[in-house]
Amino acid sequence: AQKITQTQPGMFVQEKEAVTLDCTYDTSDPSYGLFWYKQPSSGEMIFLIYQGSYDQQNATEGRYSLNFQKARKSANLVISASQLGDSAMYFCAMRVYGNNRLAFGKGNQVVVIP
Amino acid sequence: SAVISQKPSRDICQRGTSLTIQCQVDSQVTMMFWYRQQPGQSLTLIATANQGSEATYESGFVIDKFPISRPNLTFSTLTVSNMSPEDSSIYLCSVEGAGQNTGELFFGEGSRLTVL
Repeated sequence: AQKITQTQPGMFVQEKEAVTLDCTYDTSDPSYGLFWYKQPSSGEMIFLIYQGSYDQQNATEGRYSLNFQKARKSANLVISASQLGDSAMYFCAMRVYGNNRLAFGKGNQVVVIP
Repeated sequence: SAVISQKPSRDICQRGTSLTIQCQVDSQVTMMFWYRQQPGQSLTLIATANQGSEATYESGFVIDKFPISRPNLTFSTLTVSNMSPEDSSIYLCSVEGAGQNTGELFFGEGSRLTVL
């Protein structure tokens, strides 16, 4: 079974600083994808970044980058140059290919302060 | 990315009633997914809806409580039946992005239900 773990408590981040959100996962399947989503207070789920299990390089998407350490089964999200609009819940998710299910972690709350 | 519209965006419902949530996608998609997010919790998959077949429900979710329709490739409905306060949640419709090969899902804005 897939399992996603996000254990950090809520985080306060100074505007313009970087923040790292931890995510570890567990699967015995070799082929999978890792995703990060942002959920602002409005409730919508916004896709941020994707990392495939066979990707050799860490994914980057604008201010978002994913620190993928396959041997440790971790996929931490790094947000650089935080902005006030980055205040939200952030969810790590995993999908094993061949399985429709996208499994989510419990989320990390981030509050960016001026 | 797909554009997904959900209705209603929010509603307050009385115990024992039922509510149907609609999900409209701007492109044809094979699978549509319904998720539930209880207050302060993560997302849990309720069921997968394919056009022309019965929905596939996850453990803990049953068709009598959450009937789903999928009449065509761009539309689906989820009904929350005989609601209780425990059904107060955000219900989200999602689809895979058209042409994508990475498997990410795109979500509607969600339907925030409060059951009194």
